[in-house]
Parts: sequence; C-alpha cells; structure tokens
Amino acid sequence: SQQGEEDPQALSIQEGENATMNCSYKTSINNLQWYRQNSGRGLVHLILIRSNEREKHSGRLRVTLDTSKKSSSLLITASRAADTASYFCATDSNDYKLSFGAGTTVTVRA
Amino acid sequence: DAGVTQSPTHLIKTRGQQVTLRCSPKSGHDTVSWYQQALGQGPQFIFQYYEEEERQRGNFPDRFSGHQYPNYSSELNVNALLLGDSALYLCASSGPGLGGETQYFGPGTRLLVL
Repeated sequence: SQQGEEDPQALSIQEGENATMNCSYKTSINNLQWYRQNSGRGLVHLILIRSNEREKHSGRLRVTLDTSKKSSSLLITASRAADTASYFCATDSNDYKLSFGAGTTVTVRA
Repeated sequence: DAGVTQSPTHLIKTRGQQVTLRCSPKSGHDTVSWYQQALGQGPQFIFQYYEEEERQRGNFPDRFSGHQYPNYSSELNVNALLLGDSALYLCASSGPGLGGETQYFGPGTRLLVL
C-alpha cells in the first residue's frame, strides 16, 4: 500500500513560473524525501526533511513539512524545461523502507 | 565514484519463466533495497538486504526472492513470471548500516512479460 498521496496528479506551467506540489501521508514518519524521475528512468534524490524540521531549501527547491497535518509541499521556483519530470514524495517511518505516492507529473512549457 | 548500477537495462520474458536482476550499490553503501514500479504508479518496496540477510519485506509473494553477496551487490529473482510482473525494477542503496537515511537509486531494469 502507498503511504503518500501527491496532489495534483499533473501540473503544466510556463517556463519561469513556480511549481508547487503537495504530499499527504497517513502514519508518523522519521523523515520525508522528494525524488524526481525523468521518463521512467531511475529516481534522483532531491531533498530530505526530518520530522523535527519545518522547512528546508536546496537551490531552487523549498520543502515544508507539517507533521500535525501529515503533509509536505515541494516548491520549485523559476522553473526550467529541464524540470519536466515526475516528482514523488517518499516517507520513512523509521523502518528503513520508503513508501511512495503515485507522483505528480510536471510539464514546463517553453 | 560510480553510482548504483543495474543490469540488464531491459528484459523480455514469457509467462512462467524465471528472471534474475542484478544491482551494484554506490561506493560505501552496504544496504540494498529493491522496488517495483508499475506504469503510472509510484515504486513499491519489495525487500531490503543488509549483511547478506533479508531485513525487511514488503507485500510481495514468495516468487520474489533475493540475495546479497559479501561485496554488497545484490540479485532479485522472480520465479513463475506473471503478466502483472511487467514493471520497472529499481534498486536503491544506502548506508553505511541500516541507518543510512538517503536511498540512491539505479537506472532500473525494465521487465516485460509476454
């Protein structure tokens, strides 16, 4: 079963705009991670946020975590064509295995 | 520094056959996890190996088995293949030890069962 649920399922934006996607989960977690996948290839790790953290930044990425609402958001600022991909949130409930959602497909139009 | 490598990249099998997929972890990692990703879905955890033992297992039947070697590389074996086993199989490594938080994924093996 999948722990995380991403919203929206698909997102289409113009180059230069910001993209925001959300993830909700069901059980308590140790950390939450975001991954990117291009065209059905392997997953690229983007950022990890621990349960005691509320916000984290990495380059053009900003991740927030609200453990009271069991939700997280990923913001990509100033999007580029190369950001076109599927984005997945994955939760680690301190059992060393990741539970993924179904992902958000982001299309950045030139 | 080589990342996670997987072989083969693509594979076509027929129902009832058996398949072995291989994975070499990232340098310095000793824990290997396997995931199955069906088309349009997120990856599903199959199992995890550490110190040559299966440590965690997801909701997959016994037809799915694995092995880890002393050099930390790993194999995923699937017996009696079904059409529904068609998917992208992803290997991820972490470590050292079970406490390594970030899992690094390989490019995957795409399996098609006819």
